Amino acid sequence: QVQLVQSGAEVKKPGASVKVSCKASGYTFTSYDINWVRQATGQGLEWMGWMNPNSGNTGYAQKFQGRVTMTRNTSISTAYMELSSLRSEDTAVYYCARPTKYYYYYGMDVWGQGTTVTVSS
Amino acid sequence: QSALTQPPSASGSPGQSVTISCTGTSSDVGGYNYVSWYQQHPGKAPKLMIYEVSKRPSGVPDRFSGSKSGNTASLTVSGLQAEDEADYYCSSYAGSNNSGRVFGGGTKLTVL
Repeated sequence: QVQLVQSGAEVKKPGASVKVSCKASGYTFTSYDINWVRQATGQGLEWMGWMNPNSGNTGYAQKFQGRVTMTRNTSISTAYMELSSLRSEDTAVYYCARPTKYYYYYGMDVWGQGTTVTVSS
Repeated sequence: QSALTQPPSASGSPGQSVTISCTGTSSDVGGYNYVSWYQQHPGKAPKLMIYEVSKRPSGVPDRFSGSKSGNTASLTVSGLQAEDEADYYCSSYAGSNNSGRVFGGGTKLTVL
């Protein structure tokens, strides 16, 4: 079945970087964009950006530009999201999600299980 | 502050209907037919309920429907059931030169 499986929980110190992986299976990885969405505890969903696994093209929400990098390894059908200069406000659950059709702006019908990132000194 | 405005809470009794609004601008909700709605139960990943304003994915009950008028999109849940109690989020495309994609702040739906 179509699924996205994310890497495990991370604990990082302020100022460090974190890299979360998202492994796709059950479909052609390069045929759909990947979105990254995060959710702080008790808060709403926040869109971080998108990546096209075929071309490597990306688009980042203004809030994260300069701090986030989205990449992929097509040989293992895996997308990555790296966030740098971490601060306590980055403590959240991070999700990867696939749209119903090719482009990131379509509704997202396949979600990873989420990766908890905790930033604490 | 979220880009799209949703009421923080909504409620209804079993069997009733409830509508949740999602207000944006002509640069997002009003400008594109790429509005989607997500249901999220505590501790779970979001689930797509409506996409492209009014389309339902396979497996989503037809009790859930979506619409849009101007800069406001709406999600209606008819025949409320206990399992519908959850948080609901709207999302819209906002153009590649703007924010790309934006979410509402979420609405907690309580089934009384």
